[in-house]
Amino acid sequence: AQKITQTQPGMFVQEKEAVTLDCTYDTSDQSYGLFWYKQPSSGEMIFLIYQGSYDEQNATEGRYSLNFQKARKSANLVISASQLGDSAMYFCAMWVSSYDKVIFGPGTSLSVIP
Amino acid sequence: ETGVTQTPRHLVMGMTNKKSLKCEQHLGHNAMYWYKQSAKKPLELMFVYNFKEQTENNSVPSRFSPECPNSSHLFLHLHTLQPEDSALYLCASSQATSGLQETQYFGPGTRLLVL
Repeated sequence: AQKITQTQPGMFVQEKEAVTLDCTYDTSDQSYGLFWYKQPSSGEMIFLIYQGSYDEQNATEGRYSLNFQKARKSANLVISASQLGDSAMYFCAMWVSSYDKVIFGPGTSLSVIP
Repeated sequence: ETGVTQTPRHLVMGMTNKKSLKCEQHLGHNAMYWYKQSAKKPLELMFVYNFKEQTENNSVPSRFSPECPNSSHLFLHLHTLQPEDSALYLCASSQATSGLQETQYFGPGTRLLVL
């Protein structure tokens, strides 16, 4: 079965500090893609970063980087230099070749403290 | 406009009402999706359309009826809903439905309250 686990329901981080949001996934497929989305209180899901299962380099997009550890089946999101606008829900998601659907984790609520 | 838009942003309806949610994407994508997001639950995929054809109906009750007249527009027709249907309904689009990097781009959602 395909599953995404985010074990941190809520996180706090000081402004300008880095924070890591955990994501572990379960699939027996070799071909899959991992995504992170941000959902502010307004509701819109904003795409942040993508990592393919065959990508050897960790993905980076500005202040976001994905710490991909394939053997451990983890895809943690690292946000560097946190800003107040980073306060939001963060969802880890996975697309699996054989399943052909994106499944989402339960999310982590991040609060950035001034 | 750019990206994915949804109207209305907020909707309150009674259980006997009929209403429709609208989604429009300006990204030239071929696939569109409806998701339901309830409080404290993961996103639930409802429907998938690929090149205007419905390719997924994730065991959604018949009181939800999707319509996709073209690749840019997606509707969700609602009738005789239940209070437990109150949720945020998100529309998304992607270039296609297959492929490892088919990033889905989401609209702002419609917050629905059923009384």
